[in-house]
Amino acid sequence: GDSVTQMEGPVTLSEEAFLTINCTYTATGYPSLFWYVQYPGEGLQLLLKATKADDKGSNKGFEATYRKETTSFHLEKGSVQVSDSAVYFCALTQPEGNYQLIWGAGTKLIIKP
Amino acid sequence: DTGVSQDPRHKITKRGQNVTFRCDPISEHNRLYWYRQTLGQGPEFLTYFQNEAQLEKSRLLSDRFSAERPKGSFSTLEIQRTEQGDSAMYLCASSGGHNNEQFFGPGTRLTVL
Repeated sequence: GDSVTQMEGPVTLSEEAFLTINCTYTATGYPSLFWYVQYPGEGLQLLLKATKADDKGSNKGFEATYRKETTSFHLEKGSVQVSDSAVYFCALTQPEGNYQLIWGAGTKLIIKP
Repeated sequence: DTGVSQDPRHKITKRGQNVTFRCDPISEHNRLYWYRQTLGQGPEFLTYFQNEAQLEKSRLLSDRFSAERPKGSFSTLEIQRTEQGDSAMYLCASSGGHNNEQFFGPGTRLTVL
C-alpha cells in the first residue's frame, strides 16, 4: 500500500539556518502531496501542498517540490526562526476514492536562538 | 465559521468505561474523517463519512469503536470497554467540494487508566 517516509528527528538548528526535511513516498499513480505542521498545543495545519509532478508548494517561506522521478517532496526554508519550532508531517492522498491522508511519522524541529 | 471543533479536548477514563467524542466539521464540508495519533507517530486513518454515510472503516477500528454522522452534520466516535491501548489523540478532519484539503480540529486526548 501507499506509504510516506520522513527523516527522523529531532532536527535542531540555529536561527537563520537553512532547513531541509526529507520526505519520500511510495504510491501508485499520481498522489497529491502535503506538508502539515503541528505547533505545540495546537492542531494540525496545512502548510503547503502540490498536486502534480514538478509543482512547487510554498507558504510562509517554506517550499517543497513534487519530484515524481525521485518520489520525493522535501521541505525547505532558507532562514528559520524560533517560531518555526514544531512537528512537521509529510502526507499524501490519492486523487480518487475517499482522499484519506497517509502520513509520515513526523519530524520535530527545534530552532535555537 | 471558525473551523473544525472537537469536544472534549481531554478525557481521562478508567479501563472498561465507555467514552464518546464529538466533532463539528466546517459547515459546508460533506466529507468527515477520524484519525488516531499516538505519541511520536503520524495520524492513522480510522473512518470516513461522506454526508451521513460511513463509507470506509480501517482495520484498526475494532468492534469496540463505532462512529456516526446523523444528518451529515456533526459526528460522534464512541469507544466501548476502553483499554489502555486506546490512549491516544483522536483527530477529526473535514473537507468539501473538489478540494481534497482536509481541515483538522484540535483533537481529543484520551487517557485510559
